[in-house]
Parts: sequence; C-alpha cells; structure tokens
Amino acid sequence: AQSVTQPDIHITVSEGASLELRCNYSYGATPYLFWYVQSPGQGLQLLLKYFSGDTLVQGIKGFEAEFKRSQSSFNLRKPSVHWSDAAEYFCAVGTRLTGGGNKLTFGTGTQLKVEL
Amino acid sequence: DTGVSQNPRHKITKRGQNVTFRCDPISEHNRLYWYRQTLGQGPEFLTYFQNEAQLEKSRLLSDRFSAERPKGSFSTLEIQRTEQGDSAMYLCASSPQVTGSYEQYFGPGTRLTVT
Repeated sequence: AQSVTQPDIHITVSEGASLELRCNYSYGATPYLFWYVQSPGQGLQLLLKYFSGDTLVQGIKGFEAEFKRSQSSFNLRKPSVHWSDAAEYFCAVGTRLTGGGNKLTFGTGTQLKVEL
Repeated sequence: DTGVSQNPRHKITKRGQNVTFRCDPISEHNRLYWYRQTLGQGPEFLTYFQNEAQLEKSRLLSDRFSAERPKGSFSTLEIQRTEQGDSAMYLCASSPQVTGSYEQYFGPGTRLTVT
C-alpha cells in the first residue's frame, strides 16, 4: 500500500533563509506526487505536482520540488522564505481509482514557522 | 470559477445526533472526493464520485456514514448517530475529467465538533 512520510513535524526558519521540507513515499509504480499548503481556516492549496518527465518541478509562490526515484523522495524547496509562507505543508501520493479518479494519500504534515 | 464551497463551515452537535454537510464542486468538475482530517494528521480519503456514481469508498467510511451526489453536481455527506471520534475537519475536493489532470481542488472544509 502507498504511504508518505514527512519526518519533520515542525520546522522554524528565519525570513530570507532557504527552506527544504522532506518527503518520502512508498509506492510500487511511478507515483503521482503533490505538495499542498494549508493555512489556518483555509483549504488545501496545490503548490506543485509531479507526474512524469523533468524531475525538478516548479510551483507557485517560488517553490520547487525534486523527484528522486532512487531515494523515493520528493523534497520541497524554496531559496528565500517569506513570513507569509508560515503554514502547514503536506506531501501526497496519488493512486488511480476506478473511472480514472485519483486517491490522495497524505503525510502527517510539516508545520513551518518563520521568524522575522 | 468560484472554487469548491462547503457548508456549513462549522458544526457543533451532541453525541447521537445526525449531521449533514454539503459540498459544491467547481462547475463542470465531474469528479468529487471527500476526505477527513483529524488534528495533527493529514487528510484521509473517504469516498469518490464520478458524476453521480459513487465508485470508491474507504474502509474508514463506516455504515453510519453515507454520501450522495444525486445529480452529479453538489454532494452531501451524512453522519448518523455521531460519536466523539467523528470530530474532525471534513474536506471536499473536485477535479475535472481531463486526461492527464490529476490534481484536486479543495474546499475550506467543515469542522465538526461532537460534544
């Protein structure tokens, strides 16, 4: 069965510093991988996705992620963090469902705090 | 495109009562999903509709839970005889039936508190 591990529950960075959030997945086939961000009172917003092709994917808000099949990882990065990036970040793997739908299995999330 | 909407945003109910939540997906999105998120956890898949057909249900969806999407547009999730363990955020998501489109768009959720 598919699973996602986000080993860091909380991360604190200074504004302007670089950021890397870790994500490891377990899935037998080529995975569909996603990063979502959730702010208090808000729904989940998609930051970026990987389905195939170039293993370095760019997303919104200056985020990028790199798919490494050999390490079963899909880490999220940002070169310079802004105070508004403080939120909870979820990595997810998608598996196909009957009719072409896609079930998302999420990690437990990483809470990002940004110090000014 | 007004996004996925969910109502109510918050619901407090007493144990044993029935509750119903509504989800309005993005128009023309024929795939609709329900997830449940408890404190400190990521969302967990509950069920999936393509148009009005419920094609997949998680084992998390006990017989007290029922979901419908009668006309292939909005969906409802009903919980009967609520228990304190049902307290969670219930999230709805939708996606279009487009080849190569696998991302889901989430609503703001309905937070259920069972007292």
